[in-house]
Amino acid sequence: EVQLVQSGAEMKKPGESLKISCKTSGYSFTTYWIGWVRQMPGQGLEWMGIIYPGDSDTKYSPSFQGQVTISADKSISTTYLQWSSLRASDTAIYYCARGIVVAGTTSGFDYWGQGTLVTVSS
Amino acid sequence: SYELTQPPSVSVSPGQTASITCSGDKLGDRYASWYQQKPGQSPVLVIYQDDKRPSGIPERFSGSNSGNTATLTISGTQATDEADYYCQAWDTTTAPFGGGTKLTVL
Repeated sequence: EVQLVQSGAEMKKPGESLKISCKTSGYSFTTYWIGWVRQMPGQGLEWMGIIYPGDSDTKYSPSFQGQVTISADKSISTTYLQWSSLRASDTAIYYCARGIVVAGTTSGFDYWGQGTLVTVSS
Repeated sequence: SYELTQPPSVSVSPGQTASITCSGDKLGDRYASWYQQKPGQSPVLVIYQDDKRPSGIPERFSGSNSGNTATLTISGTQATDEADYYCQAWDTTTAPFGGGTKLTVL
């Protein structure tokens, strides 16, 4: 059974750093893209970026390039999303999701984590 | 950056057909996917690669994508289909979402 299990809720202060995780199981971690998606309170979904754990190839949305870092650890089938300096506007739920692959092309996120709520407040 | 436009809301009567559109420049040149999200839950993939249904998704969900518009169609809409729906457009470097459509079944 494919599972994506995310780390727990975080409460941070502006300026602090943070790294949240998404541990996967039930499939070959290195052969599927994993993406991160932001959902601010009461708002829609925003695509942040995506990583291919097999070679760590990473692509970012222009809106998030330079604001976050996506990484992966093949040894424990886990991907990460990190911030070096949080802002109040980073308050949101963050989801990880696996890319569905058909004939070598990714065209949807078929499995999602449960989401991690990040609250940034002084 | 690439932008996708969805109507903020769509209403449908039970048993009728609901159509939700997603517009973007040459969207037909990209793969479109659709997600259903109910309050407090993670999104669920209902259509990928324009018109394919994942296992477990009812046949009443269908998709199309041509020109500048992708469409999610829900036939015989049920009360349980009331949710937010998001489109997404895939290319080799990005996969932005549309703003979302709230489907009301009344």
